[in-house]
Amino acid sequence: DAGVTQSPTHLIKTRGQQVTLRCSPKSGHDTVSWYQQALGQGPQFIFQYYEEEERQRGNFPDRFSGHQFPNYSSELNVNALLLGDSALYLCASSLPGSNSPLHFGNGTRLTVT
Amino acid sequence: AQSVTQLGSHVSVSEGALVLLRCNYSSSVPPYLFWYVQYPNQGLQLLLKYTTGATLVKGINGFEAEFKKSETSFHLTKPSAHMSDAAEYFCAVSEEGSTLGRLYFGRGTQLTVWP
Repeated sequence: DAGVTQSPTHLIKTRGQQVTLRCSPKSGHDTVSWYQQALGQGPQFIFQYYEEEERQRGNFPDRFSGHQFPNYSSELNVNALLLGDSALYLCASSLPGSNSPLHFGNGTRLTVT
Repeated sequence: AQSVTQLGSHVSVSEGALVLLRCNYSSSVPPYLFWYVQYPNQGLQLLLKYTTGATLVKGINGFEAEFKKSETSFHLTKPSAHMSDAAEYFCAVSEEGSTLGRLYFGRGTQLTVWP
C-alpha cells in the first residue's frame, strides 16, 4: 500500500521563476493538504483540496496556487519565486471527515537562489 | 484562533531516562490535539491524537500524552528513551468538528538521546 508520494524530492530555482510540485495521495484518500515548513519551523498550512476544489486556504499570497485532478493527485504551483519561499513543502492526504488523521509525504525541498 | 507553544526547542535525555516534551495550546473551541514525529529528510508521522473521550492517549513506540483542559496542555511522555527516539517532535491542534486537514503546528522540539 503506497503512502503519500511527492515529486521531485529536491529542486533548485532562481528568484522570479515558477515551480510546480506534485503529490499522489495515499490509496483510498481523496483529500489533499499542502504545508510549507521553513527551516527550524513547524509546518504552516497552505491550502486543502477536496473534489477538485480548494476547500480551505491559509495565509499565503496568491502566488501560491494549486490543483486537484480527478484521480485525487494534486499540484502546488508557486509563481514569482522569492528567496523566502525556500522550504520543505509537505503534502498530506486524508479521508474526509472529522476523525481522519493526516498522512504526510516526505516532502519536496525547494531552494530558491 | 488556534496556536501551539512547545516549551524547549531542544531536549536531551540519556537512554533509558524519562522523556517529557511540553505542549500548550490556545483554542477558542474544544480542540483536537496531535503529536507528530519527523525523522531527518522525512515527512511527519502521527504518534498519537486526542479527539474526545479518555484524556490519556497512548500512541506508537511507547509514547503517551495527557489532555489537561484546565492547563491547556498536551504534554508528550515516554517512560524510557531509546536511541531511535531521536527526532523532531511537533505538537498540533485543530478545531473540533472541522476538517482535520488544517492543523496548527508548534515550532517543534528536537529530542537528542545520549547513550
